[in-house]
Amino acid sequence: AQSVSQHNHHVILSEAASLELGCNYSYGGTVNLFWYVQYPGQHLQLLLKYFSGDPLVKGIKGFEAEFIKSKFSFNLRKPSVQWSDTAEYFCAVNPDRDDKIIFGKGTRLHILP
Amino acid sequence: SAVISQKPSRDICQRGTSLTIQCQVDSQVTMMFWYRQQPGQSLTLIATANQGSEATYESGFVIDKFPISRPNLTFSTLTVSNMSPEDSSIYLCSVGGGGLAGGLYNEQFFGPGTRLTVL
Repeated sequence: AQSVSQHNHHVILSEAASLELGCNYSYGGTVNLFWYVQYPGQHLQLLLKYFSGDPLVKGIKGFEAEFIKSKFSFNLRKPSVQWSDTAEYFCAVNPDRDDKIIFGKGTRLHILP
Repeated sequence: SAVISQKPSRDICQRGTSLTIQCQVDSQVTMMFWYRQQPGQSLTLIATANQGSEATYESGFVIDKFPISRPNLTFSTLTVSNMSPEDSSIYLCSVGGGGLAGGLYNEQFFGPGTRLTVL
């Protein structure tokens, strides 16, 4: 069955630290990849997405993610986090030509001021 | 983009009762999705609601427990029937980008969720 694994359930960092959240998926075909973020008390919103082309994609608020097909990975990065990045982050995969999204369990990120 | 609203935003219900959650979108979309997010868990797709046809349910979810209506291209309801404490969760409505084309051509937009507590 298709699945998405996020390696860290809870990450605590200090401001200005670098961030990398791991995401791996299990699906052998073409995929579309997403990172969603849910700030406290707010809706889920799209952070960035990969459909095709350059495997390094840039999203909002200085986030980026790199699609490594050989590793079935789509890790999220940010060089210097801010207190306002405190949120829950979800990696998600859409197998090509399927209408469904499969979500990872999420990573709760807590940034210390 | 699509703006989605849900009602109610939260509710506390007694065991054995039913609750209907409404989802309204500000644009016409072919496909709407209902998710459940249990405490500390990820989002789990319950069903896909297509206008003009029966909803398609994911493994582990059945129509008798989660009946869905989709009367038009901007509205859907999900009913949680004969509730038990295990149904306590956040229920989310979402739509795929692409307007009438539906599907995940760009991204999915999510509603604010309905927080359900069953006593």
